[in-house]
Amino acid sequence: DTAVSQTPKYLVTQMGNDKSIKCEQNLGHDTMYWYKQDSKKFLKIMFSYNNKELIINETVPNRFSPKSPDKAHLNLHINSLELGDSAVYFCASSQFRVGYTFGSGTRLTVV
Amino acid sequence: RKEVEQDPGPFNVPEGATVAFNCTYSNSASQSFFWYRQDCRKEPKLLMSVYSSGNEDGRFTAQLNRASQYISLLIRDSKLSDSATYLCAVNQGGKLIFGQGTELSVKP
Repeated sequence: DTAVSQTPKYLVTQMGNDKSIKCEQNLGHDTMYWYKQDSKKFLKIMFSYNNKELIINETVPNRFSPKSPDKAHLNLHINSLELGDSAVYFCASSQFRVGYTFGSGTRLTVV
Repeated sequence: RKEVEQDPGPFNVPEGATVAFNCTYSNSASQSFFWYRQDCRKEPKLLMSVYSSGNEDGRFTAQLNRASQYISLLIRDSKLSDSATYLCAVNQGGKLIFGQGTELSVKP
């Protein structure tokens, strides 16, 4: 069973569209995260939720809106996609904020 | 100054070589430290945690120097399969901050 699974794996879309990425973890972890890895491979945290509550919100445009319906799920919705949003988005989870486990990533390409 | 800095490499080494990566962090209040490995087009995977006393896992040795605010990873007897990007990560206030990664290429 995949511990942290995210869908879709690939997403190609036009500028201006709205898209969502879903993430689920079956590890029983209390905290989930979204990271963005840009073309220079730099991995940067975007958001963190602990038991459905937003605890970290880095300087991210408000076109990005995370939603956590329960502690096993954390989705990311992106409005009005821009070329600069093209990146790989990784979901991760951890227990007691140590030992992160990452999903396999969603490669988003905005054309 | 970046919060966590690494030499991006690439490091090109022959099989059997010993290679060392260093990483510096800026926040002295950082709480815990890790090395991750990321293969091409894959997710980062935890390689090992880093403890003040230093720790070893087979051919891999990690060290932490809190006074100088750097962590290191030593790989002995490198294998072709060690080729990957190695990311150091520092836990600051509950969030994991990553360095930009060091690319390692082990050649036959």
